Amino acid sequence: EPEVTQTPSHQVTQMGQEVILRCVPISNHLYFYWYRQILGQKVEFLVSFYNNEISEKSEIFDDQFSVERPDGSNFTLKIRSTKLEDSAMYFCASSDLVGTEAFFGQGTRLTVV
Amino acid sequence: DAKTTQPTSMDCAEGRAANLPCNHSTISGNEYVYWYRQIHSQGPQYIIHGLKNNETNEMASLIITEDRKSSTLILPHATLRDTAVYYCIVSAKEYGNKLVFGAGTILRVKS
Repeated sequence: EPEVTQTPSHQVTQMGQEVILRCVPISNHLYFYWYRQILGQKVEFLVSFYNNEISEKSEIFDDQFSVERPDGSNFTLKIRSTKLEDSAMYFCASSDLVGTEAFFGQGTRLTVV
Repeated sequence: DAKTTQPTSMDCAEGRAANLPCNHSTISGNEYVYWYRQIHSQGPQYIIHGLKNNETNEMASLIITEDRKSSTLILPHATLRDTAVYYCIVSAKEYGNKLVFGAGTILRVKS
């Protein structure tokens, strides 16, 4: 069964450092998403991406965040200058059509120290 | 904010049907009802979705009331591996599949 793959599974970084979280969506999917979940809290939408541009973003997704699909297979989330409050599980998801199910990866646990 | 209301937690005996309710009284005509679940801190897993007709797949059944203001997810024979947080989400296709997660229902399947 096809799956969304995220790397690394766990990333520890120092406050102020840049991090890039990587995702390989399912190959024929067209819509890509990033969500995050702070420990013990709800899953929160960050951004959706379609046709090589952001289609929607949440208030959380400020200028410190950016997304890119650099090579037609990877989908990355960059946090420019990490803060302690960026510590969370980050989930990538993809779907083939609007209105169909989204497939989620297993997440990257980001710890900012 | 999530547009759904779910009980905080439920228990179910292994092998019995688990019936998880969801209220979505403000649902719009073009909004679908989606169910996902999350086991431990794994990525959410899609279960089923529907618009107004009842739906069934290999995992579960979804019963939507005629007025569409509530629905029930049915796991016909719950196993210990079905212990998870279950999320009921309403979303319209034109929202590009953006999912707004609430707190969900913690389902504990007990032997």
